[in-house]
Amino acid sequence: NAGVTQTPKFRILKIGQSMTLQCTQDMNHNYMYWYRQDPGMGLKLIYYSVGAGITDKGEVPNGYNVSRSTTEDFPLRLELAAPSQTSVYFCASRDRGSSSYNSPLHFGNGTRLTVT
Amino acid sequence: GENVEQHPSTLSVQEGDSAVIKCTYSDSASNYFPWYKQELGKRPQLIIDIRSNVGEKKDQRIAVTLNKTAKHFSLHITETQPEDSAVYFCAAKTQGGSEKLVFGKGTKLTVNP
Repeated sequence: NAGVTQTPKFRILKIGQSMTLQCTQDMNHNYMYWYRQDPGMGLKLIYYSVGAGITDKGEVPNGYNVSRSTTEDFPLRLELAAPSQTSVYFCASRDRGSSSYNSPLHFGNGTRLTVT
Repeated sequence: GENVEQHPSTLSVQEGDSAVIKCTYSDSASNYFPWYKQELGKRPQLIIDIRSNVGEKKDQRIAVTLNKTAKHFSLHITETQPEDSAVYFCAAKTQGGSEKLVFGKGTKLTVNP
């Protein structure tokens, strides 16, 4: 059981380039999330998904796109990289839970992205 | 939408002392409040959480208290140890409807030996 796996761990992009951050989980979790973490700014939600085929915007979605074709995978796409997208990106997943139980978020190890 | 404020941003204590981190939230419908610990260069990990139908929850040296009326909740760490040094994040979520978990900006705790 690998949990949440993110690739790559590090990446340097030039302004205007595009890339996809990969995220996969093997816990059969319904919910998946993408957060970015800037120094001193906590974790900001970019996009999330409550199941295959369903995605929704978080707090800071501009400049990003996502897809959820399978339960396991939730890739994050940057189309035209900008210096403001320099950050650490965390993918997370959790179980659906119930009315009496909130399942915890399981985070991946993060992807450190630099745009120059 | 939900907004979570966290204070202080940095906290330095002597080993053995207690540490308290406070958070306030804006959405009165929020009913789930987890705390995450992030060690340097690592992923955030859940350390304790509380639901809105409970006022306090303890797990060994850590405890969380919730005041629904005032819309604030706090993390208490007693008998701090150097390995407690990390960044701590509070968060809030509304049960049902949106599944967004909104985080505070974090508190960097340093425990000095």
